[in-house]
Amino acid sequence: DAGVIQSPRHEVTEMGQEVTLRCKPISGHDYLFWYRQTMMRGLELLIYFNNNVPIDDSGMPEDRFSAKMPNASFSTLKIQPSEPRDSAVYFCASRGRGDTQYFGPGTRLTVL
Amino acid sequence: GDSVTQMEGPVTLSEEACLTINCTYTATGYPSLFWYVQYPGEGLQLLLKATKADDKGSNKGFEATYRKETTSFHLEKGSVQVSDSAVYFCALTAYGNKLVFGAGTILRVKS
Repeated sequence: DAGVIQSPRHEVTEMGQEVTLRCKPISGHDYLFWYRQTMMRGLELLIYFNNNVPIDDSGMPEDRFSAKMPNASFSTLKIQPSEPRDSAVYFCASRGRGDTQYFGPGTRLTVL
Repeated sequence: GDSVTQMEGPVTLSEEACLTINCTYTATGYPSLFWYVQYPGEGLQLLLKATKADDKGSNKGFEATYRKETTSFHLEKGSVQVSDSAVYFCALTAYGNKLVFGAGTILRVKS
């Protein structure tokens, strides 16, 4: 079975540009999570969805960040405009029955 | 709020040495506890888990026991290999949604 798929794996962009990260969860999983990993703050939950509906977005750092889940097999995390402090690794994870979350390989974002 | 505290690294060991990485937690209710491993350049992989007190999770020679009385979930392995070099994260979830992670412990195993 395919695991969680994320694209792109690496993204380099300039400050002020829009960035879109993509995630395909494991088929049949009804929870989807977006995390950010930085050296300073470790792993932080940004937002999670249940059945495509955002449940808790309290971890989204500011209005420049937005996330959508238009259907059960696709989610996006958008940053507009991007800033150098947004540089991090962004992980998507999904969960089905039970409490184990399965992580994708991550997107390493560098904002110059 | 809920929190996880891990021993600071990096931990450097010789091959075949014993490993213990300490993890303690603070949580309301009865959380599930996890160890995730992150190899260089990769995402997080579930290593093992335990869902209630006195449960022992085990995988690939690693094990950890859910100790409610000491609020701990220490990771142990009897004989480490170079291929175990990675970052290890202890985590908890109270309701299966928000995972709270420790800071991570870097393990380096020398041949």
